Amino acid sequence: GQQLNQSPQSMFIQEGEDVSMNCTSSSIFNTWLWYKQDPGEGPVLLIALYKAGELTSNGRLTAQFGITRKDSFLNISASIPSDVGIYFCAGRRGGATNKLIFGTGTLLAVQP
Amino acid sequence: DAGITQSPRYKITETGRQVTLMCHQTWSHSYMFWYRQDLGHGLRLIYYSAAADITDKGEVPDGYVVSRSKTENFPLTLESATRSQTSVYFCASSESKPTYGYTFGSGTRLTVV
Repeated sequence: GQQLNQSPQSMFIQEGEDVSMNCTSSSIFNTWLWYKQDPGEGPVLLIALYKAGELTSNGRLTAQFGITRKDSFLNISASIPSDVGIYFCAGRRGGATNKLIFGTGTLLAVQP
Repeated sequence: DAGITQSPRYKITETGRQVTLMCHQTWSHSYMFWYRQDLGHGLRLIYYSAAADITDKGEVPDGYVVSRSKTENFPLTLESATRSQTSVYFCASSESKPTYGYTFGSGTRLTVV
């Protein structure tokens, strides 16, 4: 089955640094979503994007829907220890189905 | 409590046994999903349901059975558990509008010995 290509696979950074991660696909999507998974919990929705070129922020998080509709980006500014977790992108191709395709995840570790 | 709940949180079972993982949501969401999460594979869809009595296979359905007689419940059954089914299982639900994201449960960690 298809999964989205998400990079990097993991990141180990110092508190206060900015973080960037991205997700790419060979197919066009009409919705991009970003989730965060804390250890031992299920993923939680962070940001949803619905239009090509859209830039949306949620606190220190900013995500963009790529112009080609085949990619999306997530930036975290001034990272803090509670940003630790796995970040997943997810895309929806459209039509009547409500199925999401998930990326393989980016593991973020933040050293205080 | 409102939300989506999974039970049990942890389960150890023996190879060959049947085991059922439960999922219950209180929002009357139309869609429900079962995923498994394994290192290096991210989240893989096992089965999903668009409404009560409507289910369909996902990416990795072999060895699993689902049913959805009521909108709020979506149990996942492993008919004869194998070690390769050791994983963390997540249930999710979503409203019917395709622009909405999913809400996930807290997961069930299943170990097959």
